[in-house]
Amino acid sequence: EVQLVESGGGLVQPGGSLRLSCAASGFTFNNYAMSWVRQAPGKGLEWVSTICGSDSNTYYVDSVRGRFTISRDDSKNTLYLQMDSPRAEDTAVYYCAKGGRGSCYSAGDYWGQGTLVTVSS
Amino acid sequence: DFVMTQSPDSLAVSLGERATIHCKSSQSVLYSSNNKNYLAWYQQRPGQPPKLLISWASTRESGVPDRFSGSGSGTDFTLTISSLQAEDVAVYYCQQYYSTPLTFGGGTRVEIK
Repeated sequence: EVQLVESGGGLVQPGGSLRLSCAASGFTFNNYAMSWVRQAPGKGLEWVSTICGSDSNTYYVDSVRGRFTISRDDSKNTLYLQMDSPRAEDTAVYYCAKGGRGSCYSAGDYWGQGTLVTVSS
Repeated sequence: DFVMTQSPDSLAVSLGERATIHCKSSQSVLYSSNNKNYLAWYQQRPGQPPKLLISWASTRESGVPDRFSGSGSGTDFTLTISSLQAEDVAVYYCQQYYSTPLTFGGGTRVEIK
């Protein structure tokens, strides 16, 4: 059974740092693209970043490029999102999602329960 | 960027009746080399993460009831719930995964009339 469990959310000050983690199980982690998608309170879904499975290429939405870094540790089956210099508008529930095998461009077929990040002083 | 526009924003349908949601992309999401539409539909029930219903515009995920169907190609797509059940109350999103940034529609809220 595929499971994705996010952790690391919480309250962070503007300009601070926070690292989110997503522990994966139930599939061969290194073969699959993984993404972060966020949802601000009462709002819709926004794709944040994807890391490919095969070559670990990374992609970001413009609003976080240069501030957030996606990475993966295939030995630990874990996905990360390093959030540097967060802003109030980054406040959201952050979901990790499993993508396709062998392709970075794919739908998210499994999602975690999400972790809430609140950026406030 | 690909702009995904969903309509309507919300709809109320009687139990057992049909619900139809539209999604329009600002650019074609049909990849000519494999003739696939890079378009997905998700369901998000209150307090839950999104759930993938349909990928490649019309391929239902395993375990998804067959009352859910997707259709369309290029820039215009439709999600149809043929006979609305109480558990279908949710917000539905389309998403293109043809090009980064991957983009979602604004969502359609489905309620019981």
